[in-house]
Amino acid sequence: DTAVSQTPKYLVTQMGNDKSIKCEQNLGHDTMYWYKQDSKKFLKIMFSYNNKELIINETVPNRFSPKSPDKAHLNLHINSLELGDSAVYFCASSLLTEGAAKNIQYFGAGTRLSVL
Amino acid sequence: AQKITQTQPGMFVQEKEAVTLDCTYDTSDPSYGLFWYKQPSSGEMIFLIYQGSYDQQNATEGRYSLNFQKARKSANLVISASQLGDSAMYFCAMRFGGGSQGNLIFGKGTKLSVKP
Repeated sequence: DTAVSQTPKYLVTQMGNDKSIKCEQNLGHDTMYWYKQDSKKFLKIMFSYNNKELIINETVPNRFSPKSPDKAHLNLHINSLELGDSAVYFCASSLLTEGAAKNIQYFGAGTRLSVL
Repeated sequence: AQKITQTQPGMFVQEKEAVTLDCTYDTSDPSYGLFWYKQPSSGEMIFLIYQGSYDQQNATEGRYSLNFQKARKSANLVISASQLGDSAMYFCAMRFGGGSQGNLIFGKGTKLSVKP
């Protein structure tokens, strides 16, 4: 019954590899996000999709490519992994209400990526 | 520029006592939302409470309340009757803008430890 689910929970890989993280939400939300949490626990937005359209794209290397096949899914593909990509990646979703600041975002459990 | 500041890296509280976690923010936008999230050691991000910039009353959710002082730009979280399970990282976040596309900006977090 998980509202926002991410897979895998843990991902250990070698430098240079390509990997994907999947995210699915069953809340009926129309907007999904990817956040990165670094080793100091700081959370920062990476991407946001509304109705499958990219609406936020922060300064993220183009090795990171999000893909949203439908409103319920937002996957993150990472090419040529580097040591500095090691972090916890969180998927989140929300239901945007036009003109409202509320827009509560619900998070998945996170994917801990370790690049060796 | 929008900014969230949490000045307490760590806090200790005795079980059953109340604790206040500080959060100040900086924005020139009149419409914004303030959020608190809890991150236990298991890693997930749990939404706790929301306060809108135009809300007249302070938000409350069970044992959580938000002490919103708009003129001081502060949005402190008050946890009453602390429990051992409240031990976690707590993040203050802000969503700015009356439009529907704002992402969350997070503070650096406060680690709360509840002592038996």
